[in-house]
Amino acid sequence: EIVMTQSPATLSVSPGERATLSCRASQSVNSNLAWYQQKPGQAPRLLIHAASTRATGIPVRFSGSGSGTEFTLTISSLQSEDFAVYYCQQYDNWPPTFTFGPGTKVDIK
Amino acid sequence: EVRLVQSGGDVVHPGGSLRLSCAASGFIFSNYAMSWVRQAPGKGLAWVSVIGASGGGAHYADSVRGRFTISRDNSKNTLYLEMNSLRAEDTAVYFCASIRGGGYFHPLDFWGQGTLVTVAS
Repeated sequence: EIVMTQSPATLSVSPGERATLSCRASQSVNSNLAWYQQKPGQAPRLLIHAASTRATGIPVRFSGSGSGTEFTLTISSLQSEDFAVYYCQQYDNWPPTFTFGPGTKVDIK
Repeated sequence: EVRLVQSGGDVVHPGGSLRLSCAASGFIFSNYAMSWVRQAPGKGLAWVSVIGASGGGAHYADSVRGRFTISRDNSKNTLYLEMNSLRAEDTAVYFCASIRGGGYFHPLDFWGQGTLVTVAS
């Protein structure tokens, strides 16, 4: 079973600042890693897939990096609409389990 | 425009049953795998089940295997989740999502709006 962990649980950031979120897998997931953003009362939205590829329509201030077991989501300059919960998810194993991390809440400092 | 419109959420007693639906439009539904994900109140996302494009290849989370059944009707562009022997811990918002990369080794790229299932006596 692949276990995903995320840190920190909460990140307090001022608008315009950079935010760095971490995600770790208990075993290699290669680059089969996605990041999602979820705002209260809304469905998640795909931001990044294949560890570093932005999904269609996602602003360039969102970037992903990493492979294997260590991954990072960076938001270069936080906008008001970016305050949300961010989840990482692996889609590498068989049979599939699509495991999510517990999430990182980005809130206003 | 890709749209996934969900229905079927309700309040049900423990041990009861419920069927959720997810109507797809804006893409060739029969070409892609689909999945269900749930979110308990105040908690994170938890994957529930996935089904292949043609309706085969269903897989389930351990927590629902043997109680939930995922299916699809490609003639109606609709995904289903049949939930039986419901427990209080199944209370959650359930989301459907598409996997439009082909196969299972791809992210959940579009999501439905979610539907609330409450299991309570």
